[in-house]
Amino acid sequence: SQKIEQNSEALNIQEGKTATLTCNYTNYSPAYLQWYRQDPGRGPVFLLLIRENEKEKRKERLKVTFDTTLKQSLFHITASQPADSATYLCALDTEDSNYQLIWGAGTKLIIKP
Amino acid sequence: DGGITQSPKYLFRKEGQNVTLSCEQNLNHDAMYWYRQDPGQGLRLIYYSQIVNDFQKGDIAEGYSVSREKKESFPLTVTSAQKNPTAFYLCASSRGLAGGQETQYFGPGTRLLVL
Repeated sequence: SQKIEQNSEALNIQEGKTATLTCNYTNYSPAYLQWYRQDPGRGPVFLLLIRENEKEKRKERLKVTFDTTLKQSLFHITASQPADSATYLCALDTEDSNYQLIWGAGTKLIIKP
Repeated sequence: DGGITQSPKYLFRKEGQNVTLSCEQNLNHDAMYWYRQDPGQGLRLIYYSQIVNDFQKGDIAEGYSVSREKKESFPLTVTSAQKNPTAFYLCASSRGLAGGQETQYFGPGTRLLVL
């Protein structure tokens, strides 16, 4: 069966360190993978999109990698700050998805001062 | 201010009652979506619409209905047939381009609770 998995346990990181979140998938051939941030009681907000033929994408303190062989994407936040605390969702967009994204359940990130 | 609005923020449903959740966007997007979010689960697609007067069922459409009479509006009705409606409902929109790369823009959500 097709699955997309993110670590369900909260990730606790000390302020200033790099936070790394994982998104694993099985039985998909994603064309694109997206990362979103969701704060409690709010809608998700788009952060980064990476294509299947890209290895890495950066935006300020954020970096996303995409390994189609391992079927995994890593999301890094460098120099983490307490304001980065939120739940981070990954979503796949496959070639035949017909506008639909397939969502992971998200990983809660807590940055401790 | 461009964006998506949802109302109400909280909604209470009685047994056997239909309730309607509002979603409006002024981003001039063609595609709109309704998702349901439950604790510990990914967003699940209820319905989506790629163009006015047309919509398709998502993975969990049973017990829900939608309409798309205007480009800006995509209301969701939770009917009495939906036996477990308590959840956080999210509306989203995207440009509706073919070929993927569809970033979605979300509203603030409506939390539906059953009395």
